Amino acid sequence: NAGVTQTPKFQVLKTGQSMTLQCAQDMNHNSMYWYRQDPGMGLRLIYYSASEGTTDKGEVPNGYNVSRLNKREFSLRLESAAPSQTSVYFCASRVSGSPSSYEQYFGPGTRLTVT
Amino acid sequence: QKEVEQDPGPLSVPEGAIVSLNCTYSNSAFQYFMWYRQYSRKGPELLMYTYSSGNKEDGRFTAQVDKSSKYISLFIRDSQPSDSATYLCAVRFTGGFKTIFGAGTRLFVKA
Repeated sequence: NAGVTQTPKFQVLKTGQSMTLQCAQDMNHNSMYWYRQDPGMGLRLIYYSASEGTTDKGEVPNGYNVSRLNKREFSLRLESAAPSQTSVYFCASRVSGSPSSYEQYFGPGTRLTVT
Repeated sequence: QKEVEQDPGPLSVPEGAIVSLNCTYSNSAFQYFMWYRQYSRKGPELLMYTYSSGNKEDGRFTAQVDKSSKYISLFIRDSQPSDSATYLCAVRFTGGFKTIFGAGTRLFVKA
């Protein structure tokens, strides 16, 4: 099992460009998440998908859109990148449907720089 | 006020020291309390969790929750250079979809 995979690993964009970050999991998890991590700010939730076919906003959704393509894949799109979106982006997944399914499994991250 | 507060450090200790990492949280309804460990340029991995209050021990690591003071602690005994990482506390409600993370504390263990 590969767990949670993310592509690309690194990306440099110019202000105004668009891009899509891809995430896939092979653990048959229902819930998937997108976070950004900035120094001193910890992990902040951008969007999440509780199950296939649903998506919801997290703490910092502005400037982002998501698509839950199927149970395995959850993509994050930046329509018009801004320097404030320079960050490390993590995708995560979790089994849901049980109160004890607390653990999230994270991908290796995408380092994005917007100039 | 942030829902979870964590001192970002950095915290530097000599090898063999006992390390104490702490977080406070604001909502008494949180029931799951977790510690994730994140090595440099990697994704976080779950280290320990506790449900409700009390202590949980796993080898050199002890997680402690004091719900009366809304305080979460992680103790590392006989710290090793391989423990050098960022430690993130996290909380969530029973049945909830979202996990709320602290800012993370960077720990350096010097050989």
